[in-house]
Amino acid sequence: NAGVTQTPKFRVLKTGQSMTLLCAQDMNHEYMYWYRQDPGMGLRLIHYSVGEGTTAKGEVPDGYNVSRLKKQNFLLGLESAAPSQTSVYFCASSLTRVGATPLHFGNGTRLTVT
Amino acid sequence: SQQGEEDPQALSIQEGENATMNCSYKTSINNLQWYRQNSGRGLVHLILIRSNEREKHSGRLRVTLDTSKKSSSLLITASRAADTASYFCATVSNFGNEKLTFGTGTRLTIIP
Repeated sequence: NAGVTQTPKFRVLKTGQSMTLLCAQDMNHEYMYWYRQDPGMGLRLIHYSVGEGTTAKGEVPDGYNVSRLKKQNFLLGLESAAPSQTSVYFCASSLTRVGATPLHFGNGTRLTVT
Repeated sequence: SQQGEEDPQALSIQEGENATMNCSYKTSINNLQWYRQNSGRGLVHLILIRSNEREKHSGRLRVTLDTSKKSSSLLITASRAADTASYFCATVSNFGNEKLTFGTGTRLTIIP
């Protein structure tokens, strides 16, 4: 089992460019999440999904879109990148509702927007 | 907004000593979890303690929960260099918001 795999690992964007971060899990988990981690801020939830075809907003959703077309994949899109979106992005998944089972995290995507 | 706040923000101890980290939170919770993050890696789940539990053990880890004080502690006994990492508490509120909210973490350094 690979667990949760994120691609790419690193990316540098210019302001206004777009990109998609990919997350794949092979554990047949229903729930998937996107977090961003910034120094001194902890992890903040961007969007999440409770199953294939569903998405919901988290704490800091502005500037991001997501899609969950397949159960194993959760995509995070930045339509027009801004320097404020410079961060480390983590994807996570859980078997059932959050809190009942632990989250499994990928190793992150480090994004720099210049 | 952050639900959990860890204390201290950073901790350095000698290998073999015990390390204690604390977490305080603001609202009533269903459970509290602790995660570890090694540098450049994702978070790894350590232990989950439910609101009706007061103490839980896993190997060298001991977690306590005091819901009256809205606080939890993580004790790592007989620390090892490999325990060097950041440790985060995370909570799920019981107000119907099924989102896991993380604190800002304690950076633990074990000095060989």
